[in-house]
Amino acid sequence: EAGVAQSPRYKIIEKRQSVAFWCNPISGHATLYWYQQILGQGPKLLIQFQNNGVVDDSQLPKDRFSAERLKGVDSTLKIQPAKLEDSAVYLCASSPSFRGGGYTFGSGTRLTVV
Amino acid sequence: SQQGEEDPQALSIQEGENATMNCSYKTSINNLQWYRQNSGRGLVHLILIRSNEREKHSGRLRVTLDTSKKSSSLLITASRAADTASYFCATVKETSGSRLTFGEGTQLTVNP
Repeated sequence: EAGVAQSPRYKIIEKRQSVAFWCNPISGHATLYWYQQILGQGPKLLIQFQNNGVVDDSQLPKDRFSAERLKGVDSTLKIQPAKLEDSAVYLCASSPSFRGGGYTFGSGTRLTVV
Repeated sequence: SQQGEEDPQALSIQEGENATMNCSYKTSINNLQWYRQNSGRGLVHLILIRSNEREKHSGRLRVTLDTSKKSSSLLITASRAADTASYFCATVKETSGSRLTFGEGTQLTVNP
């Protein structure tokens, strides 16, 4: 089966600019997650979708980050405006059900804010 | 706050040796999972162990779970240079739906 697709692979922007990341989960996976992984640390959950509804966005910095999952399939994560501390790898993952086993992660988008 | 904490932070061994990584967590869990991450790549799911299980095997991997001590260990037997990666434990709490909370990881280096 095809994996979780993410784009772009790399992005370099200046602080205060905006950026968007895209994720296409595994077909049929109802649950989609966005994680932020700062270099040298473990991934931290930003937001979780179940179909097209938000289940958990408690750790999303809502003043600058937003995410949507239209039609319960693809998802986009946006940062506006970006700060230097947003430099990280943004990982998208999906799983087939709410507590369904292991997650499948995409390769991530490496964001550098200069 | 981090739920899982891995120990050691870094481990260097020779090919053929066994590698053991430990993970401790704070709250009651539904399940615990181990992931591998090669440099610059996404995470790969290795194994899941549920709270009512004590041990699971998958190929050269052996995972144990001690819920009374809130700890887990990952054993990789007969290690290979290709096992060089970061290894993360992640927990799904009993009360957090399906959110995975990751530890900071163990960097494993297997020298040929």
